[in-house]
Amino acid sequence: KAGVTQTPRYLIKTRGQQVTLSCSPISGHRSVSWYQQTPGQGLQFLFEYFSETQRNKGNFPGRFSGRQFSNSRSEMNVSTLELGDSALYLCASSIQGQGFVYEQYFGPGTRLTVT
Amino acid sequence: AQKITQTQPGMFVQEKEAVTLDCTYDTSDPSYGLFWYKQPSSGEMIFLIYQGSYDQQNATEGRYSLNFQKARKSANLVISASQLGDSAMYFCAMREGLTGNTGKLIFGQGTTLQVKP
Repeated sequence: KAGVTQTPRYLIKTRGQQVTLSCSPISGHRSVSWYQQTPGQGLQFLFEYFSETQRNKGNFPGRFSGRQFSNSRSEMNVSTLELGDSALYLCASSIQGQGFVYEQYFGPGTRLTVT
Repeated sequence: AQKITQTQPGMFVQEKEAVTLDCTYDTSDPSYGLFWYKQPSSGEMIFLIYQGSYDQQNATEGRYSLNFQKARKSANLVISASQLGDSAMYFCAMREGLTGNTGKLIFGQGTTLQVKP
């Protein structure tokens, strides 16, 4: 079974631009979560989508947004990029369901550099 | 508010020896799950082990075991017979609730483990 895939793996953008990152979850997984990892702040939860609906949201400005498609693939968008947005963006998928806690499987991440 | 604390920024261990990575947590929810992930230099987060708050026994997965002390709110990871490939960053994480209604994980700051030959 293929793992979580993220594209692109590396990205360089300049301040003020916008960027879209893509995540394809493991087949059958309906929940997709996004995390931002920086040396200073560590791993922080951005948002989670389940069945095309945003179910949870972290404490990030409105410049960060996302969506999920009917095939569970998810995209996140960052508008008006700032230098501080430079980070590793990780996507995770899980089956989700009632009665159990399912572990999240992470993709390799997209490393975004803002210059 | 839920919080995960990993107090060891870096650890060294000799190959073939056991090592314990500390993790304490804080939550007011009686139902929660605790996770450990490994992150090699490549960046991908690898799931290692899971412990639910109502689980009676400590979780084990191969060389990994979780020393779960609920009253002390600690969930330490024990790696037995360390291997050079275990050198990585290790993260402890928590999710509140057990019904799978949320995928939000709260992570600790991580512990860098280096295995010496």
